[in-house]
Amino acid sequence: ETGVTQSPTHLIKTRGQQVTLRCSSQSGHNTVSWYQQALGQGPQFIFQYYREEENGRGNFPPRFSGLQFPNYSSELNVNALELDDSALYLCASSLLAGTETQYFGPGTRLLVL
Amino acid sequence: AQSVSQHNHHVILSEAASLELGCNYSYGGTVNLFWYVQYPGQHLQLLLKYFSGDPLVKGIKGFEAEFIKSKFSFNLRKPSVQWSDTAEYFCAVNAVIQGAQKLVFGQGTRLTINP
Repeated sequence: ETGVTQSPTHLIKTRGQQVTLRCSSQSGHNTVSWYQQALGQGPQFIFQYYREEENGRGNFPPRFSGLQFPNYSSELNVNALELDDSALYLCASSLLAGTETQYFGPGTRLLVL
Repeated sequence: AQSVSQHNHHVILSEAASLELGCNYSYGGTVNLFWYVQYPGQHLQLLLKYFSGDPLVKGIKGFEAEFIKSKFSFNLRKPSVQWSDTAEYFCAVNAVIQGAQKLVFGQGTRLTINP
């Protein structure tokens, strides 16, 4: 039902490397939010993109960056990977950048060695 | 700062037992509240949501939740659980910060239903 897709499903990187995760939003949704879910924890908000602009950011360092494209798909980039970056990265799309329900993708599981 | 607390980390029940999962939030503005469920190997799915109106909200699969503003609570209930309800349950509050709809999640409650 959600229509939100993410790639890749799994990824293994080593410390110091860079990674790009991708997300396609549900049809008609123009807002994409990214979350990090560490093992045993709830998702934590990284940032949101609305109409190709960053529209709010959580407590994550600048080495976490993103893009949104004209078709509203999005990328999450993480530079200088650290061991603690190992987590499930979730993308969620919503209709508007306001009080709308967010629909989640299956996530990308990143392991940093 | 906005926060969500889920009182139970792991709940184990037998089939047909009644369920109540606690959720309390801390947020000073107008709240929108959600319960999401994550079945094993699947993505987060919306169970139910409260935006306004009747504080008793009904969701999918027989779940309901009650918003009690005075207690800053949004507890999830189901009168009779099934084995298929085994999953991780997350309560979340929608905080709008600088125009961004930021979902603040609790740490989750793992629910195990024994057949």
